[in-house]
Amino acid sequence: RKEVEQDPGPFNVPEGATVAFNCTYSNSASQSFFWYRQDCRKEPKLLMSVYSSGNEDGRFTAQLNRASQYISLLIRDSKLSDSATYLCAVKPTFGSGTKLNVKP
Amino acid sequence: SQTIHQWPATLVQPVGSPLSLECTVEGTSNPNLYWYRQAAGRGLQLLFYSVGIGQISSEVPQNLSASRPQDRQFILSSKKLLLSDSGFYLCAWGVAGGWETQYFGPGTRLLVL
Repeated sequence: RKEVEQDPGPFNVPEGATVAFNCTYSNSASQSFFWYRQDCRKEPKLLMSVYSSGNEDGRFTAQLNRASQYISLLIRDSKLSDSATYLCAVKPTFGSGTKLNVKP
Repeated sequence: SQTIHQWPATLVQPVGSPLSLECTVEGTSNPNLYWYRQAAGRGLQLLFYSVGIGQISSEVPQNLSASRPQDRQFILSSKKLLLSDSGFYLCAWGVAGGWETQYFGPGTRLLVL
């Protein structure tokens, strides 16, 4: 099993849709979790940290499920500008990313 | 505010040639520094990290080396490039004290021919 695993996608969704990504991890002792956004041919940029109790930032909600060892990212009311690859990071490993395409 | 610089932005090098990529951070002191490589369509592979001047930890055996001659300068080098060294090289910094949020530089796209 890979240390950190993501569905590569792509997820093709219409504007306004709600979309969710999961990221599974193998090390049950992991303590630090993050979501990054990476645009084509650009560097990853921090989207949000993931806290044990879950956290929300506008249209984005991140959750941690320690029992099943995964983190999730929920995007509500998708915008065209949300199109990107979303990388999860579980100390100290990054996933390969999930590609999201938001269509008009 | 903190900023991180990398250069060059793109580089085309022949097999067997040397490499030197530079990364500098501004606006912070004693950062943790990281070098990652991202192959096309792949995730980020941690190559090296440093918690201080002259302190380098290597995560994978390879053709590359890293140095930290100054607090906010991190250099990635190779004496002889291989085709497999092609990729997108990203430098990142984080606040000292353990695993923390990492902030990435703009990256160097390296093509070895």
